[in-house]
Amino acid sequence: KAGVTQTPRYLIKTRGQQVTLSCSPISGHRSVSWYQQTPGQGLQFLFEYFSETQRNKGNFPGRFSGRQFSNSRSEMNVSTLELGDSALYLCASSHGNRGTDTQYFGPGTRLTVL
Amino acid sequence: AQSVTQLGSHVSVSEGALVLLRCNYSSSVPPYLFWYVQYPNQGLQLLLKYTSAATLVKGINGFEAEFKKSETSFHLTKPSAHMSDAAEYFCAVSPQGGSEKLVFGKGTKLTVNP
Repeated sequence: KAGVTQTPRYLIKTRGQQVTLSCSPISGHRSVSWYQQTPGQGLQFLFEYFSETQRNKGNFPGRFSGRQFSNSRSEMNVSTLELGDSALYLCASSHGNRGTDTQYFGPGTRLTVL
Repeated sequence: AQSVTQLGSHVSVSEGALVLLRCNYSSSVPPYLFWYVQYPNQGLQLLLKYTSAATLVKGINGFEAEFKKSETSFHLTKPSAHMSDAAEYFCAVSPQGGSEKLVFGKGTKLTVNP
């Protein structure tokens, strides 16, 4: 069974630009969650999508948004990039049974904002 | 609200020695608890999880953890460290019957000395 895949693996952007990251979950998984990992703040929950609907949201500004498609693939978008958005962005997929299932993480997308 | 405290951002052990990584949680409702491991330039891999069954949970690679409600702890142990155990370890919590949202500790980097 293929694992969670994230594309691209590395991105370099400049301040003010926007970026879109993609996550393909494990086949059959309907929930996709996104996390931001930085040395200072650690791992922080961004949002979770289940069956194309945002089910949970973390404490991030509106510049961070996401969506999920009917095949469960998910994208997250960050507009008007700031230097502080430089981070490893991880997505995780699961069956979505309210926390009882194991979440499987992808390798992440490393975003650098210059 | 849930929170996780991992005592010790860096732990160093000798190969063959006991590994003990500490995790204390705060939760207003009975939690689910998880330990994840992250190797350099990779995503997170689940080591083990507690979901209100047995309080002693056995995971992969010889790791285990014990849920102690009275101490609000979920410490990770391994009897004998291997060089391949060198990585960063994260403890996480989510509310039972709640959501896919995981709240992570800051992580503990384990070094194994030959």
